[in-house]
Amino acid sequence: DTGVSQDPRHKITKRGQNVTFRCDPISEHNRLYWYRQTLGQGPEFLTYFQNEAQLEKSRLLSDRFSAERPKGSFSTLEIQRTEQGDSAMYLCASSPGQGGTNQPQHFGDGTRLSIL
Amino acid sequence: AQSVAQPEDQVNVAEGNPLTVKCTYSVSGNPYLFWYVQYPNRGLQFLLKYITGDNLVKGSYGFEAEFNKSQTSFHLKKPSALVSDSALYFCAVYQAGTALIFGKGTTLSVSS
Repeated sequence: DTGVSQDPRHKITKRGQNVTFRCDPISEHNRLYWYRQTLGQGPEFLTYFQNEAQLEKSRLLSDRFSAERPKGSFSTLEIQRTEQGDSAMYLCASSPGQGGTNQPQHFGDGTRLSIL
Repeated sequence: AQSVAQPEDQVNVAEGNPLTVKCTYSVSGNPYLFWYVQYPNRGLQFLLKYITGDNLVKGSYGFEAEFNKSQTSFHLKKPSALVSDSALYFCAVYQAGTALIFGKGTTLSVSS
């Protein structure tokens, strides 16, 4: 169990640029989640995959955000035309498909995005 | 909509004393409740969960939580606090279709 891996750990970019983050879940986990965490707040749900299928998207996920999980393994989260308000920690989590919703989610260490 | 509330932004305790971090919830149906801990610049680590069964749930690092249905609470407890327990603690409830709904977090500070 190597844990959930996120890359990069930190990203600094200018407003208006596009950024892409990667998440590698625990290998046997088929559920993958993206969350956003701003300072002083708990993580907020963005989107959820079961294998390669994106099953749910939060209204927080504007048209500038897109997430993929093309082969049901790693996932990417892209933000286009970044804005100051996108500055946050982006967390990825995974959980087993078996056992249903009572299985705990395992989190990566996140990607901290700073918009200049 | 399901939600959790953590009424205290910060809890301060002395090392060796018992600690309690409070959480109340609002759900329709049976609650799936979780506690996570976050250290600076790190992701969240799972501590424990309540799905069904015994109201006292034991978790990692000596933590436990008491589920109280009548008070809609799920308080995190530890009999004897350690300085290394100082961190940010989140209570969460599972909502079908939207994954975990987190509280705002409580900063625990344990002094030596």
